[in-house]
Amino acid sequence: NFLLTQPHSVSASPGKTVTISCTGSSGSIANTYVQWYRLRPGSAPTIVMYEDNHRPSGVPERFSGSIDSSSNSASLTISGLKTEDEADYYCQSYDSTNHWVFGGGTKLTVL
Amino acid sequence: EVQLVESGGGLAQPGGSLRLSCAASGLNFRTHEMSWVRQAPGRGLEWLSYISSSRDTVHYADSVKGRFTISRDNAKNSLWLQMNSLRVEDTAIYYCAGGFYGSRFDYWGQGILVTVSS
Repeated sequence: NFLLTQPHSVSASPGKTVTISCTGSSGSIANTYVQWYRLRPGSAPTIVMYEDNHRPSGVPERFSGSIDSSSNSASLTISGLKTEDEADYYCQSYDSTNHWVFGGGTKLTVL
Repeated sequence: EVQLVESGGGLAQPGGSLRLSCAASGLNFRTHEMSWVRQAPGRGLEWLSYISSSRDTVHYADSVKGRFTISRDNAKNSLWLQMNSLRVEDTAIYYCAGGFYGSRFDYWGQGILVTVSS
């Protein structure tokens, strides 16, 4: 089974930049698109990045996505951190067996 | 504004059944591919099931295959998840989610809690 691995947690101070990684277990993560979702307690998940590096309308330019084929990983970078960015972030992709796969989630703490 | 509203959750006994509903508004439901996703307590998001816009294709995660059934009625802008043979480990918040492109989830509901306990 295809797995996506994320760090359990990351933290940074307001105004700083943080990067959350998402590493594929096999194959090439570059062969399928990666999405990123934000999950705040008590709220519906929201998509913050789609197709590797595209921001949905309403998501600030502070959010960016990338793919690194050499490490078989995707990344979500948030610059100019704000306290409102504090949430759990999940990467998601799609494997060859018609299954949608989520990473384990990363808790972002803005100190 | 797109709204997905889940209902039908609650308490069920192990081995029991529940049927979750998802009412969609603010989007052309018949063109959107839909899924159910859950989050167990202290765990991450887990995709469960998918149904195509035309209902001709469905997929299930191994954890629910043979126990859960996804369905939809485009005329009623509604999505369902019939959950049978429930297990304690099915306890989770269940979300309906979907989008025009099936590979991603552009829209999500607020979620509904399902508790399986004796």
